[in-house]
Amino acid sequence: EVQLVESGGGLIQPGGSLRLSCVASGFTVSSNYMSWVRQAPGKGLEWVSVIYKGGNTYYADPVKGRFTISRDNPKNTLYLQINGLRAEDTAIYYCARGQPQTYYFDYWGQGTLVTVSS
Amino acid sequence: QSALTQPASVSGSPGQSITISCTGTSSDVGGYSYVSWYQQHPGKAPKLMIYDVIQRPSGVSNRFSGSKSGNTASLTISGLQAEDEADYYCKSYTSSSRWVFGGGTKVTVL
Repeated sequence: EVQLVESGGGLIQPGGSLRLSCVASGFTVSSNYMSWVRQAPGKGLEWVSVIYKGGNTYYADPVKGRFTISRDNPKNTLYLQINGLRAEDTAIYYCARGQPQTYYFDYWGQGTLVTVSS
Repeated sequence: QSALTQPASVSGSPGQSITISCTGTSSDVGGYSYVSWYQQHPGKAPKLMIYDVIQRPSGVSNRFSGSKSGNTASLTISGLQAEDEADYYCKSYTSSSRWVFGGGTKVTVL
């Protein structure tokens, strides 16, 4: 059974850093592409970042230069390193899977909440 | 990359059909047949409902259907049921190898 479990969220002060994790089971992270999607409280979904099977990474403009997506193949885990946190980064962060040669996210985790506040 | 444009809300009575539009540009919706739709109930993770504009994953009711014309994609829910009340988001692949979501549409069953 495919499962994605995020962790690492919490309350963090503006300017701080955080690393989110997404542990996958039931499939191999490196054989697929993986994305992070966030949702601010009461707002819509916002695509954040993707790491493709070959290792290429892309970011949404609001997070470029501050966020870094990566994966640990032996641990079958996806990460999102977040630096220079801002109040507008407050959101639930979801990881999602996309299979090769497809253009949709077929499995999602339950999300981890990041709150940026002093 | 600007968010795709969706109506904020759509409502209908049980048994009726409703359609949600999703408007983008030739660099996303209009340029690819890679529009997908997600349903999200409060406090839950999104769920894939339609992919590649018109395809329905196994397990999703055939009351859900998708289409596209030019830069606008649409999701139609026929035979509206109480359980369909949720937020719906469109998503498209873009020419910059990134993704973009619509702003979301709240569906209310009257």
